[in-house]
Amino acid sequence: KAGVTQTPRYLIKTRGQQVTLSCSPISGHRSVSWYQQTPGQGLQFLFEYFSETQRNKGNFPGRFSGRQFSNSRSEMNVSTLELGDSALYLCASSRDGTDTQYFGPGTRLTVL
Amino acid sequence: AQSVAQPEDQVNVAEGNPLTVKCTYSVSGNPYLFWYVQYPNRGLQFLLKYITGDNLVKGSYGFEAEFNKSQTSFHLKKPSALVSDSALYFCAVRANTGGFKTIFGAGTRLFVKA
Repeated sequence: KAGVTQTPRYLIKTRGQQVTLSCSPISGHRSVSWYQQTPGQGLQFLFEYFSETQRNKGNFPGRFSGRQFSNSRSEMNVSTLELGDSALYLCASSRDGTDTQYFGPGTRLTVL
Repeated sequence: AQSVAQPEDQVNVAEGNPLTVKCTYSVSGNPYLFWYVQYPNRGLQFLLKYITGDNLVKGSYGFEAEFNKSQTSFHLKKPSALVSDSALYFCAVRANTGGFKTIFGAGTRLFVKA
């Protein structure tokens, strides 16, 4: 069974631009969560989607948004990028959100 | 509010010796507890979890963890460390607080010296 895939793996943007990251969960998994990982803040929860609905949201500004499609694939979007948005963005999937989450390799975003 | 604490930023152990990586948590209700490992430039890999049942949970690569409800702890252990165990370890708690949300500890870097 294929694991969680994330595209692109690396991304370089400049301040003020916007970016869209993609996540394909493990087949059969309906819950997708997004996390931001930075050296200073560690792993922080962004949001979780289940069956195309956002079920939970972390404490991030409205510039961070996401969505989930009917095939459970998810995208997250960051608008008006800031230098502090440079991070590794991780996506995780699970069957229904109550069980084990499996993580993708992440997208490394660098904002210049 | 739920929280996870990993009191040690770094743990150093010699190869062949037992290792312990500590984790304590705070959550309302019954927690789902997890350990993940992260190797450089990689995502997180699932090691083991506690949902209910036996307090000693066995996981991947010879790791195990002991759930202690009275001390709200979930320490990760391995009887004999390998150099290849050197990595960043995260403890996490998942609970239903009006929607499931996973909170991760800050991580503990494990160095195993040959």
